[in-house]
Amino acid sequence: NAGVTQTPKFRVLKTGQSMTLLCAQDMNHEYMYWYRQDPGMGLRLIHYSVGEGTTAKGEVPDGYNVSRLKKQNFLLGLESAAPSQTSVYFCASSPDRDLPQPQHFGDGTRLSIL
Amino acid sequence: KNQVEQSPQSLIILEGKNCTLQCNYTVSPFSNLRWYKQDTGRGPVSLTIMTFSENTKSNGRYTATLDADTKQSSLHITASQLSDSASYICVVKIGGSEKLVFGKGTKLTVNP
Repeated sequence: NAGVTQTPKFRVLKTGQSMTLLCAQDMNHEYMYWYRQDPGMGLRLIHYSVGEGTTAKGEVPDGYNVSRLKKQNFLLGLESAAPSQTSVYFCASSPDRDLPQPQHFGDGTRLSIL
Repeated sequence: KNQVEQSPQSLIILEGKNCTLQCNYTVSPFSNLRWYKQDTGRGPVSLTIMTFSENTKSNGRYTATLDADTKQSSLHITASQLSDSASYICVVKIGGSEKLVFGKGTKLTVNP
């Protein structure tokens, strides 16, 4: 049982390049989330999804797009990477927002934009 | 504004000692409060979840308390081990929402 798997684990990009981060969960969870974690700050929500085919904006959505074509996958895209997007990105999933169930996190993607 | 404040920012203790981490929140409406442990280079892992009616909850050597009146929570670690070295993050879920408000964490170092 892998839980939440993020790929890649590390990536270095040049300003202006694009890339997609992949998150996969095998727990049949409805809800999936993308966060970023920066030094000295708490995790901040970028985008989230409440089910297959749905997406919604979080706290810091600018510069990112997401897609949830399959229930088990949640993709985060950077269309034109900027140095301000250097961060550690975490994906999480949960079964139901109304139940006191924890969010399960992946181990992160460390992204550097030069 | 919904906020979660944690103290101290960092803490160093000797193996075998106890410690208590603090969390104050100004989140409304309140749904539940979570404590996560985040090892270096890993994602956060849930330790406890406490709803409005729960005052104390234990998970092994970890005991969380919640005072909903004063909007304070604490995480007490008993007989610390080297493996307890990590960041501990307090998180409050906004009622009726899928959104969580994260504290900045307390970095705990347990030395031999």
